[in-house]
Amino acid sequence: AQRVTQPEKLLSVFKGAPVELKCNYSYSGSPELFWYVQYSRQRLQLLLRHISRESIKGFTADLNKGETSFHLKKPFAQEEDSAMYYCALSGGGAQKLVFGQGTRLTINP
Amino acid sequence: EPEVTQTPSHQVTQMGQEVILRCVPISNHLYFYWYRQILGQKVEFLVSFYNNEISEKSEIFDDQFSVERPDGSNFTLKIRSTKLEDSAMYFCASRNLRDSPEAFFGQGTRLTVV
Repeated sequence: AQRVTQPEKLLSVFKGAPVELKCNYSYSGSPELFWYVQYSRQRLQLLLRHISRESIKGFTADLNKGETSFHLKKPFAQEEDSAMYYCALSGGGAQKLVFGQGTRLTINP
Repeated sequence: EPEVTQTPSHQVTQMGQEVILRCVPISNHLYFYWYRQILGQKVEFLVSFYNNEISEKSEIFDDQFSVERPDGSNFTLKIRSTKLEDSAMYFCASRNLRDSPEAFFGQGTRLTVV
C-alpha cells in the first residue's frame, strides 16, 4: 500500500529559525517524492521533487530510502514561507499522487 | 504560463441533485486527474484518465461518479446524486509525463451539498 505520513499538522517557528517538515512514506517500489505548497487562497503548486535534487526558495529535501523519509528543510525561515505543505508520493502506472495530511507552517515575525 | 482552470469556483447543490464540475487541463497534457479534499482532511485521489479512458480509480470513485472528456479540451467530473458527504474541495490536475512528472493543479471547486 502507498502511504504518506506527515506527523505534524501545525508547525510554528520564528523568522530566521531553521524549519524541518517531516514526511515518511510507505511504498514497495521506487517512488517519486514531491513537496507541494499551497499559499493562502492559491492553488497547489510543486515546490520540489526528489529527482531534481534542487533547492527552491531555499528549501531542500533529501530522500532517505533507509528511513523512508523525505523531510523538507530550510535553514532560515521567512514570513512568506507561511503556507500549507504537502508531501506526496507517485508510483505505479497511472502515476497518481498520494498525499500526506499536510503541515500548516506559520512563520512568526 | 499555462494553467489548469476549473469552473465553477463554488457550487452549492441540494442533496440528490446531479452536479458537473468542469476543468480545462493544460493543452499538451495527456494525463488528467481528479482529487478531492474534505475539510480538514488530506487530498485524496479519485480517478485518473488517459487516452480517453479511466486508467485508475479509487474506492471513493463509485457508480455515482463519472468522468468525461467531451470535446478534447474540457475534462468533467459528474456526481449523479449528491450526498452530504460529497461536500469537499475538488481539484483537477494534469500532467505531461513525457516532459515532466509534475502535476499541475487547478484552483479547485468547492462543492457544498445541503
